[in-house]
Amino acid sequence: DAGVIQSPRHEVTEMGQEVTLRCKPISGHDYLFWYRQTMMRGLELLIYFNNNVPIDDSGMPEDRFSAKMPNASFSTLKIQPSEPRDSAVYFCASTLTGPYGYTFGSGTRLTVV
Amino acid sequence: AQSVTQLDSHVSVSEGTPVLLRCNYSSSYSPSLFWYVQHPNKGLQLLLKYTSAATLVKGINGFEAEFKKSETSFHLTKPSAHMSDAAEYFCVVSEGGSSNTGKLIFGQGTTLQVKP
Repeated sequence: DAGVIQSPRHEVTEMGQEVTLRCKPISGHDYLFWYRQTMMRGLELLIYFNNNVPIDDSGMPEDRFSAKMPNASFSTLKIQPSEPRDSAVYFCASTLTGPYGYTFGSGTRLTVV
Repeated sequence: AQSVTQLDSHVSVSEGTPVLLRCNYSSSYSPSLFWYVQHPNKGLQLLLKYTSAATLVKGINGFEAEFKKSETSFHLTKPSAHMSDAAEYFCVVSEGGSSNTGKLIFGQGTTLQVKP
């Protein structure tokens, strides 16, 4: 199993541009999570899906952020327009129903200049 | 509501000496607890998990943790530190309890430094 795959690994963009982060969960996993990690705030849960349906998006910071999961093998996190304060490492994770813990991807390091 | 408190933001040990990373949790019901490790510029890796079975949980790379309900603690230990153990460690509780999937609530992390 290739694990949770995120792309790109690094993204540098200018303020105001649209940014799209991608995630492929482990095949068969029915939960998918998006986290953001910064030095100041640590790990924050942004949104999670169960069977492709968004369950809790209360962590999404503002309307500039949106996430979709069109099928069981793909999810995107979009920021439009991006701002310097969005600079962070964004992690995707997936798991099966039950107390198994998550498998995390390697993350996308986003820098907005 | 569930929460975790990692009692030390930074721990420094010498190679070959024991490691103790402390974690206290708060949970409304029987919790699922996890330890994750994050090496520099890497993703998070699951070290071990407790889900209401044996209270002493063994994980990867020689780490183990003991669930103590009376103390609401889940401290991580390793008998002998290795240089490769230097990393950030996160104690985590699941909102779903011991039998369900739920949001993971992360502690603030403990940086482990291992000196030669």
